Amino acid sequence: KAGVTQTPRYLIKTRGQQVTLSCSPISGHRSVSWYQQTPGQGLQFLFEYFSETQRNKGNFPGRFSGRQFSNSRSEMNVSTLELGDSALYLCASSFQGASTDTQYFGPGTRLTVL
Amino acid sequence: KNQVEQSPQSLIILEGKNCTLQCNYTVSPFSNLRWYKQDTGRGPVSLTIMTFSENTKSNGRYTATLDADTKQSSLHITASQLSDSASYICVVSGDSGYALNFGKGTSLLVTP
Repeated sequence: KAGVTQTPRYLIKTRGQQVTLSCSPISGHRSVSWYQQTPGQGLQFLFEYFSETQRNKGNFPGRFSGRQFSNSRSEMNVSTLELGDSALYLCASSFQGASTDTQYFGPGTRLTVL
Repeated sequence: KNQVEQSPQSLIILEGKNCTLQCNYTVSPFSNLRWYKQDTGRGPVSLTIMTFSENTKSNGRYTATLDADTKQSSLHITASQLSDSASYICVVSGDSGYALNFGKGTSLLVTP
């Protein structure tokens, strides 16, 4: 079974731009969660989608948004980029949900904001 | 506020030695606790997941323990190998909602 894939793997943007990251979950998994990881803060939960509906959201500003498609693939969008948005963005998929099931993480997208 | 504290922040051990990583949490009510291993440049990989009723779970040379009364968990690594060098992250799930609470991780370096 193919694992979780994320594209692109690396991205460089400038302040004020917007960015869209993509995540393809493991086949059959309906839950996709997104995380931001920085050296200072560690892993922080952004949001979880299940069957195209946002099921839970972390404490991030509205500049961070996401969606999930009918095939469970998910995208995350960050608008008006700030320097502090530089981070590794990870997505994880599970069958029933982030809080109950084992999650499988993708390799991440490394975003650098200049 | 739900918190997850991990100790030590970093650890260096010799190959072949055992080590124990700690995780203390204040998340309540509690649903489950997980340990992840994250190699540099990669996404985390699940090692164990334990619910309230479980106090020990093993995955090869990794053994996690949970004391739900004292809100403490430990991850014991036996006969360490160079490939165990990684960051180990403790994650606690509350019983209400779906929010996960993450520790900042313990960075383990196993040297020859």
